[in-house]
Amino acid sequence: GAVVSQHPSRVICKSGTSVKIECRSLDFQATTMFWYRQFPKQSLMLMATSNEGSKATYEQGVEKDKFLINHASLTLSTLTVTSAHPEDSSFYICSAGGTSYNSPLHFGNGTRLTVT
Amino acid sequence: GENVEQHPSTLSVQEGDSAVIKCTYSDSASNYFPWYKQELGKRPQLIIDIRSNMDKRQGQRVTVLLNKTVKHLSLQIAATQPGDSAVYFCAETFSGGYQKVTFGTGTKLQVIP
Repeated sequence: GAVVSQHPSRVICKSGTSVKIECRSLDFQATTMFWYRQFPKQSLMLMATSNEGSKATYEQGVEKDKFLINHASLTLSTLTVTSAHPEDSSFYICSAGGTSYNSPLHFGNGTRLTVT
Repeated sequence: GENVEQHPSTLSVQEGDSAVIKCTYSDSASNYFPWYKQELGKRPQLIIDIRSNMDKRQGQRVTVLLNKTVKHLSLQIAATQPGDSAVYFCAETFSGGYQKVTFGTGTKLQVIP
């Protein structure tokens, strides 16, 4: 079945540094990918929609200059957390769907980001 | 915007009993409703879904009901097992090749052996 690969699975960084998270669709082309953030004991909240070849669409309250999204190909989207702060520590999950009406949504394994 | 309310937030059942989780969604344009199981630190796993042209769907030990009139969803897990212990999310989306999914608030299910 369709697989979405996300790397790294865990990352610890110092406050003020930047971290890049990759999301790859391994056996299908994804014109659209989604980035979610999940704080402990909370639900998944959509951060932004990543569109291949165009600018990402950010949800209200998500800083686009802080969470940089690049979707340069049909199989790769990246999320860069710039100038990370401890409050950015969270579980980040990408997802990708197909392009047809009945395509299911596939999730990456998630990235646990800890900012110290 | 879209909003999905889910309850209860926590649920404890004895092994073998049924568990029922309910959701209310707000977007009348939504036509696809997946349910996910998420174990700690892992990605959500699809357990069952239902489309708006149906009002009931059954899987192995799971049944989902959809009432579009009042925008209600429910998930029943029958004959619960300890392995069913996890957080469950309902979700809504409009399936048109652009699958932005809005998740419910989640229900932590504990199955007591």
